[in-house]
Amino acid sequence: AQSVTQLDSHVSVSEGTPVLLRCNYSSSYSPSLFWYVQHPNKGLQLLLKYTSAATLVKGINGFEAEFKKSETSFHLTKPSAHMSDAAEYFCVVTLDTGRRALTFGSGTRLQVQP
Amino acid sequence: DGGITQSPKYLFRKEGQNVTLSCEQNLNHDAMYWYRQDPGQGLRLIYYSQIVNDFQKGDIAEGYSVSREKKESFPLTVTSAQKNPTAFYLCASSIVAGDSYEQYFGPGTRLTVT
Repeated sequence: AQSVTQLDSHVSVSEGTPVLLRCNYSSSYSPSLFWYVQHPNKGLQLLLKYTSAATLVKGINGFEAEFKKSETSFHLTKPSAHMSDAAEYFCVVTLDTGRRALTFGSGTRLQVQP
Repeated sequence: DGGITQSPKYLFRKEGQNVTLSCEQNLNHDAMYWYRQDPGQGLRLIYYSQIVNDFQKGDIAEGYSVSREKKESFPLTVTSAQKNPTAFYLCASSIVAGDSYEQYFGPGTRLTVT
């Protein structure tokens, strides 16, 4: 089955320390991959996307992600966490290009401690 | 400003009543989507439409209905047949072109049915 797995449901970091949110996918072809962020009771905002160009993708707010085909991973990182980064993060993949639908991971809640 | 609007932000209904959630976009996107989000879960696709006057069932369409009479509008009706309608509902839109799959999300409507 094709799917996307976020390996941590909760991640807690201190302000100023690095952030790593892990995502693995399962697909029979090279999909498009995204990270979205959701602040409480808000819609989702696109952080970054991978579409088979550069494997290291830079996004907004200092986030970046690296596509590793051999590991089927697309982990999200940020060198230094800020309090405003506290939110829910979703790894998203296109598994059905026919209906152009997105498949969402279950989400990782990032807490940033002062 | 271009974007997606959903109204209302909070909606309360009694069990057995149908309720319609509004979604409007001025991005000139062809495709529109409805997702449902439950606590601790990713988004699940209810219905989608890639062109006016046409729409398709997503993964959890039972108990829901939609219409797409105008490009800008994609209302979702939650019927009394939906067994567990309390959730956060998100509308999204996207262009339909090549390998561009990213979707843009509205702020969501939180529906509570008692």
